[in-house]
Amino acid sequence: ETGVTQSPTHLIKTRGQQVTLRCSSQSGHNTVSWYQQALGQGPQFIFQYYREEENGRGNFPPRFSGLQFPNYSSELNVNALELDDSALYLCASSLPQFTNEQFFGPGTRLTVL
Amino acid sequence: RKEVEQDPGPFNVPEGATVAFNCTYSNSASQSFFWYRQDCRKEPKLLMSVYSSGNEDGRFTAQLNRASQYISLLIRDSKLSDSATYLCVVNPEAGANNLFFGTGTRLTVIP
Repeated sequence: ETGVTQSPTHLIKTRGQQVTLRCSSQSGHNTVSWYQQALGQGPQFIFQYYREEENGRGNFPPRFSGLQFPNYSSELNVNALELDDSALYLCASSLPQFTNEQFFGPGTRLTVL
Repeated sequence: RKEVEQDPGPFNVPEGATVAFNCTYSNSASQSFFWYRQDCRKEPKLLMSVYSSGNEDGRFTAQLNRASQYISLLIRDSKLSDSATYLCVVNPEAGANNLFFGTGTRLTVIP
């Protein structure tokens, strides 16, 4: 176990709704990255948070947003859900000098109907 | 062109076989390279880093060819427990804070 936790484990939403996913990082890790993994694909980088600020973003539209809290936990928010947003959302924590060594949580499986 | 390309497989091999996975990356400035393992419906976990000199961890050997922008993973003496998806992962540039993942190669080891 990596010590990274995510909630909820599964979620079903309808198109147009909004969703918030949560992540608690491994103890001592102050950097959190979010990835989207569609079925049959590798994870795709959404964004990273470090010290409560966004610290890099992948090719995702603004309706994907996030937060990081003083305890380093993080949220991913997705507005105006689309069918293609159905995926496994993975949170990964790391130390800033070891961003390459990312420890993933179990993920939240989002289904958009 | 994708940042990281892998043969998705599937590879079905008997126990004890040797199997090799390959991966290519598009950005010649890429700095760091990894293999992650992902079990069905689980999160990815770091298997090993890949160094220019090549590196070995038990039955697993990783190789990097920067000139050809090519990464490989060799698994010797395959075990049933090696069945998983193997993801080739690249850090695209120095100071980058994201990782690029390939689509993964699915391995099934058959008794």
